[in-house]
Amino acid sequence: QVQLQESGPGLVRPSETLSLTCSVSGGSIRDYYWSWIRQTPGKGLEWIGNIHHSGITRYNPSLKSRLTISADTSKNQFSLRLSSLTAADTAVYYCARDQFFYGSGIPYWYFNLWGRGILVTVSS
Amino acid sequence: IVLTQSPGTLSLSPGERATLSCRASQSVTSNFLAWYQQKPGQAPRLLIYGTSNRAPGIPDRFSASGSGTDFTLTINRLETEDFAVYYCQNYGHSLTFGPGTKVDVK
Repeated sequence: QVQLQESGPGLVRPSETLSLTCSVSGGSIRDYYWSWIRQTPGKGLEWIGNIHHSGITRYNPSLKSRLTISADTSKNQFSLRLSSLTAADTAVYYCARDQFFYGSGIPYWYFNLWGRGILVTVSS
Repeated sequence: IVLTQSPGTLSLSPGERATLSCRASQSVTSNFLAWYQQKPGQAPRLLIYGTSNRAPGIPDRFSASGSGTDFTLTINRLETEDFAVYYCQNYGHSLTFGPGTKVDVK
């Protein structure tokens, strides 16, 4: 049974960089695409970006300039780095497994497994 | 695509039927719409993909339908474990979530 577990700091200061890791157990990250999603009371659920173990990434355009997602196949993990944090980045951050497919050459995906989430607060 | 869900809250009793609506600001490509269930303190769980396909392990009291801009999730004979927040998600063009409908106990 595949499980996802987010880890990282619960509190980060404004202007700093957030680093989160998602550890995948019970399966290989080579088998799927993997996403980061966040949830806030104000904006709801927001897809952040995703990665394939080959290094292919797709980012939400609204976050792209501050975002890096990477994968470490040796550790069966993938990670998120989000820079220049503000209070608006306060959220529960989830990692998720994508159900990814192509239709007429266009990629599509939804999320068939989620981690439990980690609350990240941006505050001084 | 902006998704609007209604009602915001649905108050029902166990055994009743819940009907949740998800409306898109433009037609959803190939009806690529999913539904998720989220209970307090838990991660969302995939219920439905491709408008009407139940995810593995989802009971058949959950059904969904729709096309274009109007989609519906129906829960027949509500059980206590079904009281939760339900989100729709478009994955056909861009990727967006609705604001959610809370199903609570009347």
